[in-house]
Amino acid sequence: GAVVSQHPSRVICKSGTSVKIECRSLDFQATTMFWYRQFPKKSLMLMATSNEGSKATYEQGVEKDKFLINHASLTLSTLTVTSAHPEDSSFYICSAESGTDQETQYFGPGTRLLVL
Amino acid sequence: SQQGEEDPQALSIQEGENATMNCSYKTSINNLQWYRQNSGRGLVHLILIRSNEREKHSGRLRVTLDTSKKSSSLLITASRAADTASYFCATDQGGSEKLVFGKGTKLTVNP
Repeated sequence: GAVVSQHPSRVICKSGTSVKIECRSLDFQATTMFWYRQFPKKSLMLMATSNEGSKATYEQGVEKDKFLINHASLTLSTLTVTSAHPEDSSFYICSAESGTDQETQYFGPGTRLLVL
Repeated sequence: SQQGEEDPQALSIQEGENATMNCSYKTSINNLQWYRQNSGRGLVHLILIRSNEREKHSGRLRVTLDTSKKSSSLLITASRAADTASYFCATDQGGSEKLVFGKGTKLTVNP
């Protein structure tokens, strides 16, 4: 089956630093990748949609300069949280969609970010 | 934006019992999907039901969809302790690739 990985699985950083999270589709080419954020005991909120080779489309209320998304290849998308603050602490999950099946998203295992 | 709503928010049952979770949504959809999430982990796709389908089965899972009521239910039969997880419904937005998730139902199956 389709596998999506995320790295790192957990990261602790100091306030003001930047953190990069990678999302990789391991056995398929992902034309579209999505980034979600999940607060404790809450649902997933879509942050942005990224298509390979083009700029990401951000959801309303998500700061594109703070959450930089790059989808440079068909198997890799990165989310960089710039100048992280404690309120950015959250669980970040990516998903990927293949060009052949746009109804199904395959989710990564998530990255737990803690900003001190 | 559309937001799915699951109920109950939390459900605790004994192993062997059936678990039923419901999901309601607000706008028209092309399909509705159910996902499972173990604590602190990513989501696993369980089942997709299209708007022209009323019921779908997969193993111990049974999903129904009532588009007139804009609601869906997920039934897990003969539950096991390993079914303990949060379950989310997600809908597309009238054909968009974007998924909108409900708040989830936290299911605890006690051995």
